[in-house]
Amino acid sequence: GQNIDQPTEMTATEGAIVQINCTYQTSGFNGLFWYQQHAGEAPTFLSYNVLDGLEEKGRFSSFLSRSKGYSYLLLKELQMKDSASYLCAVRDGATNKLIFGTGTLLAVQP
Amino acid sequence: DAGVTQSPTHLIKTRGQQVTLRCSPKSGHDTVSWYQQALGQGPQFIFQYYEEEERQRGNFPDRFSGHQFPNYSSELNVNALLLGDSALYLCASSLTGGYGYTFGSGTRLTVV
Repeated sequence: GQNIDQPTEMTATEGAIVQINCTYQTSGFNGLFWYQQHAGEAPTFLSYNVLDGLEEKGRFSSFLSRSKGYSYLLLKELQMKDSASYLCAVRDGATNKLIFGTGTLLAVQP
Repeated sequence: DAGVTQSPTHLIKTRGQQVTLRCSPKSGHDTVSWYQQALGQGPQFIFQYYEEEERQRGNFPDRFSGHQFPNYSSELNVNALLLGDSALYLCASSLTGGYGYTFGSGTRLTVV
């Protein structure tokens, strides 16, 4: 079966660091994506991991452990505009389709 | 360089009607995937088109059908609309062999 789990909601303070976890169980694996989605808008690409380890891109970093079926997205120096839903998605190795989690709604408070 | 364009942005239909949604992929992309996103949920894969053929399909009934044209643009058709079809429909384009997906802003379909 295919299953992707991430917390439903998180709250953090402006200027702080937040880590959003994602665990997955899929029949095939060909990369893990993180997207940011503001309400009513398109998901926008944040990061892509296909090998184990940490990928850093400015204030955002993403980590992958394929053996554990685990990833996290780390957001540093939080800003109010970071309030959004963060979607974890795994690309199925056989079909190349993206399988999404339900998303984590992050609220950044002053 | 235009990204993915979807039309219309919003649509209201009555139960039992049929609807057609349209998507123009990002320049240089040849593959189009469609997703349904219910409120508060992650996108669910409907199907994927490449070379004008449906290549992959998710767990959606036959009421959902699609088409891809020679210029890579695509349509999603839904027949016999149900209230449960109310959702944001997202189109994502990609290049075969690549890893990136670009999403459009979606079409918000409301069935009443």
